[in-house]
Amino acid sequence: GAVVSQHPSWVICKSGTSVKIECRSLDFQATTMFWYRQFPKQSLMLMATSNEGSKATYEQGVEKDKFLINHASLTLSTLTVTSAHPEDSSFYICSARDDGAPYSNQPQHFGDGTRLSIL
Amino acid sequence: GENVEQHPSTLSVQEGDSAVIKCTYSDSASNYFPWYKQELGKRPQLIIDIRSNVGEKKDQRIAVTLNKTAKHFSLHITETQPEDSAVYFCAASKIQAGTALIFGKGTTLSVSS
Repeated sequence: GAVVSQHPSWVICKSGTSVKIECRSLDFQATTMFWYRQFPKQSLMLMATSNEGSKATYEQGVEKDKFLINHASLTLSTLTVTSAHPEDSSFYICSARDDGAPYSNQPQHFGDGTRLSIL
Repeated sequence: GENVEQHPSTLSVQEGDSAVIKCTYSDSASNYFPWYKQELGKRPQLIIDIRSNVGEKKDQRIAVTLNKTAKHFSLHITETQPEDSAVYFCAASKIQAGTALIFGKGTTLSVSS
């Protein structure tokens, strides 16, 4: 089945550090990938839609200069949390749909998520 | 944009009982409605989904119903087991590529034996 690999799975770092998270589709191509953030005991909130070869689309309230997204190829999207602060601590998770799957059979595939803790 | 409401936020049942979780959506153009089960610290797992061209779908103990007119859909779990205990999320989107899932706030289901 379709697999999305997300790394790292856990990051602990000091305030002010920038952290890069990778989301990779292992056996399919994804023109579009999605980044979600999940605070403890809350839902998955869409942060941005990552588009291969073009700029990401950010949801209202998400700072594009703080959460840099790069979708350099059809299998890789990266999210960089710049100058991270304790309030950025959260569970970040990416997902992607298979470009080659027919619309009638096209669920979203999730990565395992990245737990980010900023001290 | 799409907005998904989910109720209840917590649900406690006895083993063997049925559990029902309900969601409503706002965007009449949404046509894909998946349900996910998430265990603590893990990725959401798709358990069942339904497209807007059908009103009901069943997979063993799990079923989903959709009322397009009222814009609501429900998850039904029968003969609940302790391992069904988890957080369940409904979501809505358009099935076209490039469209994100918008999630409800989740329901914590506890099944006691």
